[in-house]
Amino acid sequence: EAQVTQNPRYLITVTGKKLTVTCSQNMNHEYMSWYRQDPGLGLRQIYYSMNVEVTDKGDVPEGYKVSRKEKRNFPLILESPSPNQTSLYFCASSPWTSGRADEQYFGPGTRLTVT
Amino acid sequence: GDSVTQMEGPVTLSEEAFLTINCTYTATGYPSLFWYVQYPGEGLQLLLKATKADDKGSNKGFEATYRKETTSFHLEKGSVQVSDSAVYFCALRTNTNAGKSTFGDGTTLTVKP
Repeated sequence: EAQVTQNPRYLITVTGKKLTVTCSQNMNHEYMSWYRQDPGLGLRQIYYSMNVEVTDKGDVPEGYKVSRKEKRNFPLILESPSPNQTSLYFCASSPWTSGRADEQYFGPGTRLTVT
Repeated sequence: GDSVTQMEGPVTLSEEAFLTINCTYTATGYPSLFWYVQYPGEGLQLLLKATKADDKGSNKGFEATYRKETTSFHLEKGSVQVSDSAVYFCALRTNTNAGKSTFGDGTTLTVKP
């Protein structure tokens, strides 16, 4: 089954304790992206990657890191989480063909609480 | 920069009512337009899309037409069902900068029997 998986689905942590949220896709997509969803703010893009070893900032990258060492995986790293990073996080992927902006496939979400 | 403005919610309708959720956009390049739906506790999934002006996207009874002259992509359905209750997001990506994705704030639809 074609899918995007995220782990963990739920996480409660404390301020300053480094954490990683994993994202993996089995569709051989070039493009992957991370978003956070907050009430009244819709989805905001954190980072994206057009292909292996190619990453770029979205609209709200502060406090986050990403890496793209393999095509299928795109982990989101919070080096020192703070309470304002409490949110619902989504990973997404899509094919990337030059000149086309395709639809994205989303993971089920990770609900993060930082106390 | 690019932006998407969605009709504010929440929207509450009775079953079989007509639905319109307005979406307008601004884009620096030529955008592809999308509607995504998010059911409770799930991730977003594509509902429909349109990639050029005057295209009509349709799926599951929902429709939206890409109107370049009014920079709009309004979502419509003739007769909603309780199972359509969800959050709906309008979004765009442009060919010139397909890495960036812009979403509206989302509109929560509740359909009552």
